Amino acid sequence: DTEVTQTPKHLVMGMTNKKSLKCEQHMGHRAMYWYKQKAKKPPELMFVYSYEKLSINESVPSRFSPECPNSSLLNLHLHALQPEDSALYLCASSQVTGFEKLFFGSGTQLSVL
Amino acid sequence: GESVGLHLPTLSVQEGDNSIINCAYSNSASDYFIWYKQESGKGPQFIIDIRSNMDKRQGQRVTVLLNKTVKHLSLQIAATQPGDSAVYFCAENSGGSNYKLTFGKGTLLTVNP
Repeated sequence: DTEVTQTPKHLVMGMTNKKSLKCEQHMGHRAMYWYKQKAKKPPELMFVYSYEKLSINESVPSRFSPECPNSSLLNLHLHALQPEDSALYLCASSQVTGFEKLFFGSGTQLSVL
Repeated sequence: GESVGLHLPTLSVQEGDNSIINCAYSNSASDYFIWYKQESGKGPQFIIDIRSNMDKRQGQRVTVLLNKTVKHLSLQIAATQPGDSAVYFCAENSGGSNYKLTFGKGTLLTVNP
């Protein structure tokens, strides 16, 4: 199994809503990532978890809250988002080798109204 | 031809031709590089990687060249097919346990039948 599965594929939410994005992998990878991608732009790193611990937070606003319940699952909790947060949110995973080859899911296309 | 500017750089080729996509990276300490292909509505898909102790690596129909002197990376696709049409990103990692994979701005490849 070489897949990273993200749900939902599409999400529309209001600025007062609370929602969660989910990501799952069964490749035994111990690093998991959240990236944000705007249209026609490269993915930008948000968070990295290594061995279920938060390793990197790229100064992401607190309205985005990551969670790594176990080595296979990664969540991104969303609260009080702004319209400019509308984007494709990508989850990725990798082994921890020092030369991390990331495998990406198909993303969640988020629209904030 | 290739155009660079405020918009996503584009490369248009005829089916069956060879394609060369170029990337200038920024960090001289980067020691690991990956090329990703992203089709519309999908997450980035791993194509090929190369470590800084190599200057060339070949895969199936693809070759990556690395010139550390001028901090330049290229992806060559042989006998380009319509299914190769996508945005191609180079990504660099400064290695160790950094986990930070930084993406270049991407190039849109269009293959004309």
